[in-house]
Amino acid sequence: GAVVSQHPSWVICKSGTSVKIECRSLDFQATTMFWYRQFPKQSLMLMATSNEGSKATYEQGVEKDKFLINHASLTLSTLTVTSAHPEDSSFYICSAPRGGTGNQPQHFGDGTRLSIL
Amino acid sequence: SQKIEQNSEALNIQEGKTATLTCNYTNYSPAYLQWYRQDPGRGPVFLLLIRENEKEKRKERLKVTFDTTLKQSLFHITASQPADSATYLCALERTGANNLFFGTGTRLTVIP
Repeated sequence: GAVVSQHPSWVICKSGTSVKIECRSLDFQATTMFWYRQFPKQSLMLMATSNEGSKATYEQGVEKDKFLINHASLTLSTLTVTSAHPEDSSFYICSAPRGGTGNQPQHFGDGTRLSIL
Repeated sequence: SQKIEQNSEALNIQEGKTATLTCNYTNYSPAYLQWYRQDPGRGPVFLLLIRENEKEKRKERLKVTFDTTLKQSLFHITASQPADSATYLCALERTGANNLFFGTGTRLTVIP
């Protein structure tokens, strides 16, 4: 069964809306989680590293004020896309390494399809 | 800068044959490499991890090789089945970072 749960699986909303996506590790604690973005027929692009109890680390070119990350517990990280616009439409995926180290095999959620009208 | 290439965007093979996917990387020397499977609209699923001191690793019908001299990994699926049809991604550790860098993937289609 799934070890990382992501919710919601899809969202359609109007431009200007803020959207929150949740990522939960179901049977292990994850001090680190990762958020990716994937465009059609492209690979996963790391957006940020979510660290439990501290600030997220964002990749170059990713606006931290646009993509708010909160990792308030050892099993939950959230990504909020603030004031979303059509160009933010994409497939967002989270992952968590069971061993806590980012280079270890990662368990992925099933992604969130975000469509901004 | 680090670069990963999976040199076939798409690969079609006949059921029962062996599928071979290639992952090449440049400008760094990762300690290990991973392969994932991704189905449409789903998150990737981990398949295999191979370390730099391992030449080959197997898991059921899957085999991965890792040639650090050629900077290449080959991913084989023997006795391929239509259910093996998916996109396969290779991933390497990013130098100086606690995360992975993914290739663009190869979309495999196994034809019955």
